[in-house]
Amino acid sequence: ETGVTQSPTHLIKTRGQQVTLRCSSQSGHNTVSWYQQALGQGPQFIFQYYREEENGRGNFPPRFSGLQFPNYSSELNVNALELDDSALYLCASSLGSYEKLFFGSGTQLSVL
Amino acid sequence: AQTVTQSQPEMSVQEAETVTLSCTYDTSESNYYLFWYKQPPSRQMILVIRQEAYKQQNATENRFSVNFQKAAKSFSLKISDSQLGDTAMYFCAFTQNSGNTPLVFGKGTRLSVIA
Repeated sequence: ETGVTQSPTHLIKTRGQQVTLRCSSQSGHNTVSWYQQALGQGPQFIFQYYREEENGRGNFPPRFSGLQFPNYSSELNVNALELDDSALYLCASSLGSYEKLFFGSGTQLSVL
Repeated sequence: AQTVTQSQPEMSVQEAETVTLSCTYDTSESNYYLFWYKQPPSRQMILVIRQEAYKQQNATENRFSVNFQKAAKSFSLKISDSQLGDTAMYFCAFTQNSGNTPLVFGKGTRLSVIA
């Protein structure tokens, strides 16, 4: 059984660019949640995908968007990057709820 | 909105000693879950322990136990026989409605276990 894997582990972009982060969910899990963790803060919920549909969204602008694929892997896309988007982006998979989340090791995004 | 507060930004403990991390939360719900997550330098969030609000008995997982005070909206984590591998950030988290809403995290407590 494989755990949650995220790629890339680190990424450097410049302001205004676009970025795509990827997440492979744990085997058997149909739900993926994305969180943003700024330096010195706890993770903040971005959105969740359940069976390829967005199933909840936090207080993030529309330039944060996502996809979930038939194999339940997921992408997080961020357009028009801003300096404040610099953070650790965590993906978590689960079986249909927020109760039992399994997290990946995150993607560290730096926006210069 | 639900909030989770961890009032101790940093703590340290001697190896083999006991340490307690504090967490308070605010909600008007009666049914919810509370969690403690550990985030070591590898950055992966690892579930340490979870508590269901309707259960009066405090959860225990090996060296980790909680003191859940529902009326006071307090949820502290006790680590007994601290080990060097316990060094990490610890986050308290909350989800209402039996796990059907996103986790809300506190800002974390950095725990250092000293040899």
